[in-house]
Parts: sequence; C-alpha cells; structure tokens
Amino acid sequence: EAGVAQSPRYKIIEKRQSVAFWCNPISGHATLYWYQQILGQGPKLLIQFQNNGVVDDSQLPKDRFSAERLKGVDSTLKIQPAKLEDSAVYLCASSLTDQETQYFGPGTRLLVL
Amino acid sequence: GENVEQHPSTLSVQEGDSAVIKCTYSDSASNYFPWYKQELGKGPQLIIDIRSNVGEKKDQRIAVTLNKTAKHFSLHITETQPEDSAVYFCAASIRGSGYSTLTFGKGTMLLVSP
Repeated sequence: EAGVAQSPRYKIIEKRQSVAFWCNPISGHATLYWYQQILGQGPKLLIQFQNNGVVDDSQLPKDRFSAERLKGVDSTLKIQPAKLEDSAVYLCASSLTDQETQYFGPGTRLLVL
Repeated sequence: GENVEQHPSTLSVQEGDSAVIKCTYSDSASNYFPWYKQELGKGPQLIIDIRSNVGEKKDQRIAVTLNKTAKHFSLHITETQPEDSAVYFCAASIRGSGYSTLTFGKGTMLLVSP
C-alpha cells in the first residue's frame, strides 16, 4: 500500500514570498491533516479535513495560511506571505476516519530567509 | 484544550539497557494515547498505542502503561538496539465523541550507543 506522498521535500524562500505544499493521502482515507513541526517540538495541527470539508482550523494563521482539499483527495497548503518563523517541517497525515490511526508523510522542510 | 508534557527531552542509554519515556496529559476526557517514532528526515510512525480501558499493552520489546488517575502514561523499551535511536513522541486524543485530534508532546531524543 502506498504511503502519504508530499512534495516538494525541501524549499528555501525569502520572507514575504509565497510557497505551496502538496499532499496525496493514502487511497480511501477520508481524513487529512496538516501539521507544522518546528525544530525540537512535536507536530502541531494546523488544519483537519473530513473529505473536502474543514473540521478544525483553529490553529491555522488564516491571515497568511490557506489550505484546500478539492474533490476530497489531494490537498495543498499555501503560505503567503512567508515569515521567518514559518521555517519548519510541514507534515501531512491521513487516516481512514478521524477515529483511526494517522499515517504521516515524509514532510516538506521549509526554510525562510 | 489538551496539554501533553513529555520527559526527558533527551535520553542516552547503552545497547541492551532499558529506556523509559514519560508523558502527562491535562484533559481527563482523553482516552487514546499513541506513541510515534520519528527517524531523521522522515515523518512520525506509530509504534504502539493504548486506550483508556487498558492499563498496559506490550508488543515485543516495547510496552506502554497508563495511569488514568494520575493522568500519565509511559513508553518502555527493553533490550535497546542502535536502530531504536530516534525521536519519540507521545500524544493524546479523545475518540468516540465528535471529531478526534491528536495533541503531541515535545518529543524525546533517544540515543542508543553500541
């Protein structure tokens, strides 16, 4: 079974630029999550989708971050404009339902200069 | 909201020794506690989990214990091997009531020396 796919794996941008990350969850998984993992910390949930609807985006900085999951499969996370403090690993995870095990992708490492 | 504290932040052991990582949680409604292992450059991977109706669970060299009264749970790794070296995260969530989200601890870097 293929795992969660993410791209790009690495990205370096300058502050105030925009960036987008892509996630392809495990086939059939209804729930998709985006996490931010700052160096030395645990993953922090940014947004959770159930199919193509948002379930929880309470910790998403909505003035600069946006995410969508059109057609309930792939998802994109965008940052515009980026700040230095956005430097982190952005992890995508998926699960069959929100009551089941979450499977994580390899993450996208973002460095904002 | 839920708050998960994890200790220690780093743990160094000799190969063959045991390692113990401890976590506490704040929300007494939490009923599901997974442990994830994250190797360098990879995403977290579930290694074991426990639900609140069980006090202990074991899978080969790893075990997890839960004390609901004290609101803490621990990961035990016996006969450690160099390939156990990684960052381990505990997490807590509420399952079965509304939507379920995970709150993670800050992680423990485990170093196993040959």
